[in-house]
Amino acid sequence: DQQVKQNSPSLSVQEGRISILNCDYTNSMFDYFLWYKKYPAEGPTFLISISSIKDKNEDGRFTVFLNKSAKHLSLHIVPSQPGDSAVYFCAASGRGTGGATNKLIFGTGTLLAVQP
Amino acid sequence: NAGVMQNPRHLVRRRGQEARLRCSPMKGHSHVYWYRQLPEEGLKFMVYLQKENIIDESGMPKERFSAEFPKEGPSILRIQQVVRGDSAAYFCASSPYTQETQYFGPGTRLLVL
Repeated sequence: DQQVKQNSPSLSVQEGRISILNCDYTNSMFDYFLWYKKYPAEGPTFLISISSIKDKNEDGRFTVFLNKSAKHLSLHIVPSQPGDSAVYFCAASGRGTGGATNKLIFGTGTLLAVQP
Repeated sequence: NAGVMQNPRHLVRRRGQEARLRCSPMKGHSHVYWYRQLPEEGLKFMVYLQKENIIDESGMPKERFSAEFPKEGPSILRIQQVVRGDSAAYFCASSPYTQETQYFGPGTRLLVL
């Protein structure tokens, strides 16, 4: 049962344009969402997060949007740069994950390629 | 300010041997999480520990896997009698408190021959 889904395995974007990565979730008990970026042979690097009490959070070139009614979030990167090329993981946590833990439930990732 | 440290970065074991993976959390972090990434998949939660306590081990396989986070020293993920299906990247993450962002280490890539 995949509670966090990233339906696009890959995305290609021109340098300078906007990259939009999407994520859907099924568990309405999730209340905290994160985006991580991962290069091959490295660990995930935290990018940005959003609490369920907000619908938008911005940090530099990165903006995350949350649509609770649609159980959907997206990460916008603008302008995209070649160094942004990596796998992007969406993750969720909250009461729905069980107990007092904030274990993260990850999507399967989207490979972003930014073309120079 | 060092990040999360994991060692070894690469580990090769033959079937039936034991694998020990170590994780030192970021300074000031007392919460440690272990995740596993199988080839072509996302990260899957395994276990959540605080010093000397296992808080949530709902993602741990029932047999051969154990984890600890002693009062002194790193957290250890131990896999006994490894099988080829244990080959994966194992990531450790830490946070200062519960309900805080988790920061990941570089991972240990385990290969079972």
